[in-house]
Amino acid sequence: ETGVTQSPTHLIKTRGQQVTLRCSSQSGHNTVSWYQQALGQGPQFIFQYYREEENGRGNFPPRFSGLQFPNYSSELNVNALELDDSALYLCASSSTGQGETQYFGPGTRLLVL
Amino acid sequence: RKEVEQDPGPFNVPEGATVAFNCTYSNSASQSFFWYRQDCRKEPKLLMSVYSSGNEDGRFTAQLNRASQYISLLIRDSKLSDSATYLCVVTARGNAGNNRKLIWGLGTSLAVNP
Repeated sequence: ETGVTQSPTHLIKTRGQQVTLRCSSQSGHNTVSWYQQALGQGPQFIFQYYREEENGRGNFPPRFSGLQFPNYSSELNVNALELDDSALYLCASSSTGQGETQYFGPGTRLLVL
Repeated sequence: RKEVEQDPGPFNVPEGATVAFNCTYSNSASQSFFWYRQDCRKEPKLLMSVYSSGNEDGRFTAQLNRASQYISLLIRDSKLSDSATYLCVVTARGNAGNNRKLIWGLGTSLAVNP
């Protein structure tokens, strides 16, 4: 196991609602990246947090936002949910001392109805 | 053109077969390369990094050709447990400071049959 945990494991929401997903990084890791993986697709980079600051963002609208806390855990918030937001949301932690090797949590499977 | 492209698959092979996956990338400034494995409904797990000199880990061999912007993964003596989706990952400079982001291929599905 990677030591990266995510909660909840599954979630069902309706269009227009808001959701918060949580991630605890591996001990000693100061960087968290979030990905969206739709069925049959590779993971798409949403953003990365390094020492509590956003450190890069993919092509996702502003209604996708995040936070990183002093203990390096992180949240992903999505406002005004759309049907296309249904996906597996993956959190990956890494340490700047280890290059780009990322270790993934089990993911949160979100279904928007 | 996609930033990272992989063989479409799926690959269906018998146990013991040798199978090769190919991946091309469009950004010549890419610096790091990885193969990840993803089992059905699970998270991706790092299989191996890919180095310029090529590297081997047991039955798995990864190669990088920077001139052709191409990486490969070879699996020898395939096992039933090798059945999974194999994802090619390339780093690219991000849009903030010196960070790098990982660009993922769509993955190639492998089914090893008894």
